[in-house]
Formats: sequence, C-alpha cells, structure tokens
Amino acid sequence: QVQLVQSGAEVKKPGASVKVSCKASGYTFTNYALHWVRQAPGQSLEWMGWINADNGNTRYLEKFQGRVIISRDTSASTAYMEVRSLRYEDTAVYYCTRGPIAAETWFDPWGQGTLVSVSS
Amino acid sequence: DIQMTQSPSSLSASVGDRVVITCRASQSITTYLNWYQQKPGKAPKVLIHITSSLQSGVPSRFSGSGSGTDFTLTISSLQPEDFATYYCQQSYGVPYTFGQGTKLEI
Repeated sequence: QVQLVQSGAEVKKPGASVKVSCKASGYTFTNYALHWVRQAPGQSLEWMGWINADNGNTRYLEKFQGRVIISRDTSASTAYMEVRSLRYEDTAVYYCTRGPIAAETWFDPWGQGTLVSVSS
Repeated sequence: DIQMTQSPSSLSASVGDRVVITCRASQSITTYLNWYQQKPGKAPKVLIHITSSLQSGVPSRFSGSGSGTDFTLTISSLQPEDFATYYCQQSYGVPYTFGQGTKLEI
C-alpha cells in the first residue's frame, strides 16, 4: 500500500536547523509531488511548500522562502525538509503528504507527522 | 493568498444527525476544493477532492458540493467515528490554504 514514513521527533534550540525525512513506498516516487504541511499546537494546517519528485522543482510559501529547503533523493524514494534558523514559533508537527503533479491536486496519503520542538 | 473561512468553528451533534459544514473562499476557486478529517494525534485524511469526488474507501454518508466561493460538506447520518475536526483546502493556486477547521463534538 502507499505509505509515507517520517523521521522521529526532534528537540532543537532557537537558531538551530532541523531536517525531517519522508520515505515513500508502494508507488513510483517520481510520478507524484510531495508537499510539506505543518500544524502548530491547537492550530490549523499550514502548507509550506512542495517538490516535484520527478524534476526536483520546488515552490515555497513566501514566508518560508530562504529558510526552508525541500529536496529529494530519487534513489531512496525519500523527500527531505530542512528548516533553518529555528524560532520558538516553529514548534509544530510537520507532515509530508503526496499530491498529483497536476493543477487538480489533493493530499493523500499523509505521513505520520514529526514533532519539532524548539526550546532553549 | 486565498483565504478559506469555515463555519461553524465548532458544532455539537448526536449520532444519526445530518450535519452541514460550510467553507467560503475569498475569491473564486472554481471546484478546486478538498475536505479532510483529522482525529486527535493523527494525520489528516482526505474525504472528498475536487468539491464532490469521494475518496476511495470513504463512506457514502459523506458528500460535498459547491462551486466558485461557497462549498459544503454534508454528513448524512453521523456515526460515532465521525467526531473529529474537518478542514477544507483550496488547490486552485499556490500557496495552497486551509480553513481554520470545524470541530465536531458529541
């Protein structure tokens, strides 16, 4: 079955970086895009950006431009999301999710989520 | 950015009730509207995509409708497993945006 498995929880200090991985299985990795969505405690969902797993093109929410980097390793069927210069407000659960490489996109399935806690 | 506004923010209902959740976009998104269900401590799960297409495996008591700026998610007869938070999301344009959520409680 199609599955996305993310790396484990992280605790980081302000100013540090974190890199979360998302390993895909059960489908042809390069036929889809992978998106990253985060959810701060008690809050709604915030789309952060996506990568076309075929050609590696990326697009980011403007507020994350320059601070978030999404990449992929096609040989490992794995996508990565790195957040630099972490702030307290980056504390959230980070999800990877798959979407069609098309205008009509929706997110399915989702990874299990990775809790990133930013604390001094 | 396209703003998505859901109503109500929370809703109390009983098993067997018919429930309607609405979602309004700040501009026309034609039919590029998806609905997700999220249970506490779990990842969201897509229920309906492109306004009215039921995701495989989702019970038929869930349905969606609308176009342009106004959309609805209807649950025809609430079951105990339906108590969760529901989010709408537009895929008309980047950045993709979500509503603030509707918490459905017993």
